[in-house]
Amino acid sequence: DQQVKQNSPSLSVQEGRISILNCDYTNSMFDYFLWYKKYPAEGPTFLISISSIKDKNEDGRFTVFLNKSAKHLSLHIVPSQPGDSAVYFCAANKGFGNEKLTFGTGTRLTIIP
Amino acid sequence: DGGITQSPKYLFRKEGQNVTLSCEQNLNHDAMYWYRQDPGQGLRLIYYSQIVNDFQKGDIAEGYSVSREKKESFPLTVTSAQKNPTAFYLCASSIRLEAQHFGDGTRLSIL
Repeated sequence: DQQVKQNSPSLSVQEGRISILNCDYTNSMFDYFLWYKKYPAEGPTFLISISSIKDKNEDGRFTVFLNKSAKHLSLHIVPSQPGDSAVYFCAANKGFGNEKLTFGTGTRLTIIP
Repeated sequence: DGGITQSPKYLFRKEGQNVTLSCEQNLNHDAMYWYRQDPGQGLRLIYYSQIVNDFQKGDIAEGYSVSREKKESFPLTVTSAQKNPTAFYLCASSIRLEAQHFGDGTRLSIL
């Protein structure tokens, strides 16, 4: 049972445009959500997070939006840069902080120069 | 410079052998985790430990064992009972109220 779903395995975006990565979840107990970025043969790197008491969190070029009623979150990257090409994972857990993250299957983002 | 070190980066195992993957952190984090990644799949939790001398099974613990004798170290043993051990293994650590930090992984292959 996939509790965190990333339905788009891949996405291509022109450099300078907006990249939007989507994530859906089914477990209503999740209340803390994270996005990680992963390059090949490396570990994931934490990007940005959001708790369920917010609907938006922004950090530089990265913004995460949370729609609790739809059980949907999205990551916006503006403007997209070639270094953003990577696999992006969303993850969720039932408590603010750590332990037992449930990951989605990832979306491979390719930025076209 | 603080971080998480996983060794080796590549590991080969013969059928029927146990193999141990190393994970060391100098971040002074209390919690440590082991995940497995297969092609086209997300990370799945194998084991996690919130304090020294204590650990819990994750979602796919069968065929694996761990120990947490020191705060800095959380080795994972892939036993011969693990039927499909070929995968990319990732170790992570965290402190409360912060996101997990990951090592660069160990790729295990069966000869």
